[in-house]
Amino acid sequence: NAGVMQNPRHLVRRRGQEARLRCSPMKGHSHVYWYRQLPEEGLKFMVYLQKENIIDESGMPKERFSAEFPKEGPSILRIQQVVRGDSAAYFCASSPVGTGDGYTFGSGTRLTVV
Amino acid sequence: GEDVEQSLFLSVREGDSSVINCTYTDSSSTYLYWYKQEPGAGLQLLTYIFSNMDMKQDQRLTVLLNKKDKHLSLRIADTQTGDSAIYFCAESIQTGANNLFFGTGTRLTVIP
Repeated sequence: NAGVMQNPRHLVRRRGQEARLRCSPMKGHSHVYWYRQLPEEGLKFMVYLQKENIIDESGMPKERFSAEFPKEGPSILRIQQVVRGDSAAYFCASSPVGTGDGYTFGSGTRLTVV
Repeated sequence: GEDVEQSLFLSVREGDSSVINCTYTDSSSTYLYWYKQEPGAGLQLLTYIFSNMDMKQDQRLTVLLNKKDKHLSLRIADTQTGDSAIYFCAESIQTGANNLFFGTGTRLTVIP
């Protein structure tokens, strides 16, 4: 049973380009969460999705960031017109239902904006 | 907003016990978690405790919760070099909440 799969593991983008981060939840999990970890900091919640629905995006920056979890395929976190401050590790987690016994995290995508 | 605080560094000798501490501010926390992050890896859930408990033991791990002081600790008995990692404390503030609030992590270094 594969865990939460994120790809790519490392992503380098120039300022102004778009970054697309993918997350495939664990089998049987229908809830996906995205977190961002800035260097030397803890994780900050960004968005919570179920299939075809954004449930809570209270942690998402208002501009340039979007997320989706389509009926088929992985969840995508999209960052348009990246800036240096977007450089971070982006972690996806999944769970079968809401929280309570904790999520399962992926290994993260490390985005570097040059 | 919610604030979860941890000391940044801890060094212990192999075979000793490690105690990692965490304080939180929201008294409505329902679950409190400990995660482990090894270099370049994601977060691994180690254990969690429901807020109406004061202790939970799982093999070498003991979690103590002092709800009055809003203080959570993780004790690792017989610490091994493989325990070297960053340990994050996290809380959820309502049952079925969508998001967890994380501390900044404690980097544990185990000295052989």
